[in-house]
Amino acid sequence: DIQMTQSPSSLSASVGDRVTITCQASQDISNYLNWYQQKPGKAPKLLIYDASNLETGVPSRFSGSGSGTDFTFTISSLQPEDIATYYCQQYDNLLTFGPGTKVDIK
Amino acid sequence: QVQLVESGGGVVQPGRSLRLSCAASGFTFSSYGMHWVRQAPGKGLEWVAVIWYDGSNKYYADSVKGRFTISRDNSKNTLYLQMNSLRAEDTAVYYCARDFRIAARVGMAYWGQGTLVTVSS
Repeated sequence: DIQMTQSPSSLSASVGDRVTITCQASQDISNYLNWYQQKPGKAPKLLIYDASNLETGVPSRFSGSGSGTDFTFTISSLQPEDIATYYCQQYDNLLTFGPGTKVDIK
Repeated sequence: QVQLVESGGGVVQPGRSLRLSCAASGFTFSSYGMHWVRQAPGKGLEWVAVIWYDGSNKYYADSVKGRFTISRDNSKNTLYLQMNSLRAEDTAVYYCARDFRIAARVGMAYWGQGTLVTVSS
């Protein structure tokens, strides 16, 4: 089974800050990685697919990069509406979610 | 627009069974893989199961293998999750989700609102 880790588990940042979340896979998953945003009480929303492709309609301040085992998710300028938990998810071998990163406003 | 509406959740005793349904509309149901994903209270997301667009393949998380069965009826645009031998640790909101790629099982582009399953005596 492929295990996914994320860091940090939570962070606080100011509006306008650049925010970076990392996701690591326990083995090489090529670019078979997606990123989701989940706001409290809501279903998750797909933001990035195949490691770096922005889903239609998602603001360009969100981006993703990486391949192999190490991946990065970035919010270039944090907005109040970005308060949420962010999850990575691999699909190289079945599907596995990372544990999530909770993002708050400082 | 794509709509996924889950039903069938509720309170059930340990060891009993429950069947969840997910009614799909707004897209060609028979063209997409479908998933069940769950979220225990205050916890992260856990992928549960996926079924191929034509029902030919089904895969499960180890935590539910042998107890849960995913199925679909493409004539009724409906996805199911039969849950047997339920345990307290199966307590969660269960989401139905559509894959974002035709005839694939890569990730979830559309999600239902979720249905809560509580396993308790």
